[in-house]
Amino acid sequence: AQSVAQPEDQVNVAEGNPLTVKCTYSVSGNPYLFWYVQYPNRGLQFLLKYITGDNLVKGSYGFEAEFNKSQTSFHLKKPSALVSDSALYFCAVRVLMDTGRRALTFGSGTRLQVQP
Amino acid sequence: ETGVTQTPRHLVMGMTNKKSLKCEQHLGHNAMYWYKQSAKKPLELMFVYSLEERVENNSVPSRFSPECPNSSHLFLHLHTLQPEDSALYLCASSQEGATGHGYTFGSGTRLTVV
Repeated sequence: AQSVAQPEDQVNVAEGNPLTVKCTYSVSGNPYLFWYVQYPNRGLQFLLKYITGDNLVKGSYGFEAEFNKSQTSFHLKKPSALVSDSALYFCAVRVLMDTGRRALTFGSGTRLQVQP
Repeated sequence: ETGVTQTPRHLVMGMTNKKSLKCEQHLGHNAMYWYKQSAKKPLELMFVYSLEERVENNSVPSRFSPECPNSSHLFLHLHTLQPEDSALYLCASSQEGATGHGYTFGSGTRLTVV
């Protein structure tokens, strides 16, 4: 089945330290991969995407993600975490539906908690 | 604001009530989506509309009924819901056909079924 997996329900990191939020995917063909962030009582906001090209993708708020085809991973990273980065993070991949249409399928989310 | 507006933000309804969720986008997108978000579960894709035509219905119970009268508006009509239907319902839109298109989400409607 085409899907993404986020193995960690929660990630805790101290402010100023680097952070990584993990995502692995399972799709046929070349994946289109996305990261979204959700703040309390808000919808999902786009952070970054990988379509093709450079394996290191830079996005909003200083986040970046590394596409690794051999490990089928697309981990989200930031060199120095801020308390304001505390939120729920979703990885997503574009999948081919039975109808031939494409849609995004999301992981279960990882809650990032950055301690001051 | 993201350009996708959902109303109401919060809704409490009894199991015998009928209510509707509304989504409106002003981005000129041609596809709209309903997702269900429950705690610690992946977002569940419920319905997809492309050019106002329903193109996906992911085995959603008939007590959920979508409507897309035009490319800017999407509704989710609710009737005889169950307590397990309590969740955050998210609407999203996108420009289908654009390479690597992402979605723009609304803030969601928090639904509680009592």
